[in-house]
Amino acid sequence: KQEVTQIPAALSVPEGENLVLNCSFTDSAIYNLQWFRQDPGKGLTSLLLIQSSQREQTSGRLNASLDKSSGRSTLYIAASQPGDSATYLCAVPGSNYKLTFGKGTLLTVNP
Amino acid sequence: DAGITQSPRHKVTETGTPVTLRCHQTENHRYMYWYRQDPGHGLRLIHYSYGVKDTDKGEVSDGYSVSRSKTEDFLLTLESATSSQTSVYFCAISVRRTGGGNTEAFFGQGTRLTVV
Repeated sequence: KQEVTQIPAALSVPEGENLVLNCSFTDSAIYNLQWFRQDPGKGLTSLLLIQSSQREQTSGRLNASLDKSSGRSTLYIAASQPGDSATYLCAVPGSNYKLTFGKGTLLTVNP
Repeated sequence: DAGITQSPRHKVTETGTPVTLRCHQTENHRYMYWYRQDPGHGLRLIHYSYGVKDTDKGEVSDGYSVSRSKTEDFLLTLESATSSQTSVYFCAISVRRTGGGNTEAFFGQGTRLTVV
C-alpha cells in the first residue's frame, strides 16, 4: 500500500525567504506526482504535475523535483510572499489514477 | 476548476437522514472520484467511477453509496447520516495528458457537510 509523508507539517518563514517542502512515498512505481495548494475553506488547486520520466518541473517561482529511486519529491518556492500562505499537498496516483495524499504542509509567510 | 461543480456547497442534516451530494463535470472525462477531508487524516478516497455505471469502493466506503447514470454526473449518497460523516467532501476528475499513463487530477470546491 502506497504511503505518502510530508515534512514538515507546518512551516513559518519571513517574506522573501526561499523554502523547500518535502514529500516522500513508499512505492516508487508511480506514473507521476502532483503538488496542490489549498487555501482555508477552499478546494485543491493543482500547482505542478511532474511525470515519472522527469526530474524537474517549473512554474513561475515554483520548482518541483522528483527522485523516484529514493521515493522523494521536493517543492521549492523562491522569494516567498504572504500570498503563498496555504497548505501544500502532494499526491501520487495508483491503479485507476486513485490518489494517495500526504497530510500536507501548512505554510505561513510572514510580512 | 476544470469545469467541476459540486452541490450543495454547505449542508446541515440530522443523524439518520439520507443525504445526496452531486458532482457535475462539463468535459466528459471518464474517471471521477469522491474524497473526504478530515483533520488528522488528510484526504481519503470514498468511491470512484471509471465509466457510466462502473464504480468501485475506496478506502473509506462504509456508509456511502454512489451512482453514475451519465458521464457528467457522479452522485454520493450517505444512506443514513452519522456524526462521523461530518466532513468536507471533494469531487475530483482525472484528465489524461499526452504520454501513456499520465493523468492530472482536478478538484471541485468541496461540500461542507455537518451531521447533527
